[in-house]
Amino acid sequence: DQQVKQNSPSLSVQEGRISILNCDYTNSMFDYFLWYKKYPAEGPTFLISISSIKDKNEDGRFTVFLNKSAKHLSLHIVPSQPGDSAVYFCAAPTPLYGGATNKLIFGTGTLLAVQP
Amino acid sequence: DAGVTQSPTHLIKTRGQQVTLRCSPKSGHDTVSWYQQALGQGPQFIFQYYEEEERQRGNFPDRFSGHQFPNYSSELNVNALLLGDSALYLCASSLDLGSLNTEAFFGQGTRLTVV
Repeated sequence: DQQVKQNSPSLSVQEGRISILNCDYTNSMFDYFLWYKKYPAEGPTFLISISSIKDKNEDGRFTVFLNKSAKHLSLHIVPSQPGDSAVYFCAAPTPLYGGATNKLIFGTGTLLAVQP
Repeated sequence: DAGVTQSPTHLIKTRGQQVTLRCSPKSGHDTVSWYQQALGQGPQFIFQYYEEEERQRGNFPDRFSGHQFPNYSSELNVNALLLGDSALYLCASSLDLGSLNTEAFFGQGTRLTVV
């Protein structure tokens, strides 16, 4: 049961152009989403998040959009840089232990390659 | 701040053997979660430890067990290794603030290969 889905395994973009990474979810109880970036031989690092009370959150070159009715979110990177080449994971926290903590439900990831 | 550290970084084991992976959480963090990332998949939750107890576990067999020490560091043990246990094992630490949306910080992972 894949509650968080990233249907594009890979994406190639030219440097300076926009990268758009997509994520779909099935559980309408999810109310917070995170994007993690992962380089080879490193653990995932937090990039940006969005709460369900918003439809957009921006941090520098990174913007996440949330469409709750479609259960879809997207990460926009503009302008894309070669250093952005990595695997990007969409994730949603789900309650553990009566809601006092959480576990993360991850998508399968999208490998972004930014060509110089 | 050293962040989350895991050891070893790589490990090769034979089918049927047992393995122990280690994790030191980020300074000040008291909660440790373990995830398994198989090739081409996203990380899958194994279990979480807080105050030296397992809080909850994901859909993993009892061959997977863990421990948390008083200094909050943690171990993941896997018995009777199967070829399918080959994966990247990630440790994530966080601070229990009673909030659903507490940020988790990940270590670099241990790459386990079972042959």
